[in-house]
Amino acid sequence: GQQVMQIPQYQHVQEGEDFTTYCNSSTTLSNIQWYKQRPGGHPVFLIQLVKSGEVKKQKRLTFQFGEAKKNSSLHITATQTTDVGTYFCAGRTNTGNQFYFGTGTSLTVIP
Amino acid sequence: NAGVTQTPKFQVLKTGQSMTLQCAQDMNHEYMSWYRQDPGMGLRLIHYSVGAGITDQGEVPNGYNVSRSTTEDFPLRLLSAAPSQTSVYFCASSYSLFISGSPGSTKNIQYFGAGTRLSVL
Repeated sequence: GQQVMQIPQYQHVQEGEDFTTYCNSSTTLSNIQWYKQRPGGHPVFLIQLVKSGEVKKQKRLTFQFGEAKKNSSLHITATQTTDVGTYFCAGRTNTGNQFYFGTGTSLTVIP
Repeated sequence: NAGVTQTPKFQVLKTGQSMTLQCAQDMNHEYMSWYRQDPGMGLRLIHYSVGAGITDQGEVPNGYNVSRSTTEDFPLRLLSAAPSQTSVYFCASSYSLFISGSPGSTKNIQYFGAGTRLSVL
């Protein structure tokens, strides 16, 4: 069954507001990746986190990996209409040969 | 480089028909995988391959077959289509998924194809 849960499933924000999506795993992860999928498109890699407590930034996007390496978050500051899409986390365990994708958070930005 | 190419982009099948979804990559990636995407379910792994001649099952393998005779190609076969297989299918590839001691390697970044939208009536 699904090992990686993601909340919320949907989020509507006014342009300029902040947005956060959370990813939780039932098991410890060796690393976690984040992908963005534009409407009608395919997932595109954003970033990878490896270390416990790691924080990475990409312009208005901030990614965090939890201390226990079981959760992660993506925070977008001052959303823009170009941020519209579905954001997925994907985690891999130390021994597995696959990434487990979260259920995704669909972001709508209202101009 | 074309990256990951999937064909067809759209397909409508009748229940019981069989078909093959094609996936090809030109990046010399070892690892290839097939996912299906359904509303509220995220991406679920169907089958994957860590190299030519090697395949394994993912989360939801029932009703699907795969083979990997070359590094470049990883076709997905629907044996007898059912309405429950209506979905968007994505093929993905990466250099390698499991690199001992190097979970931060960029070689495990997955590159996705544009997808195949399949409807089974």
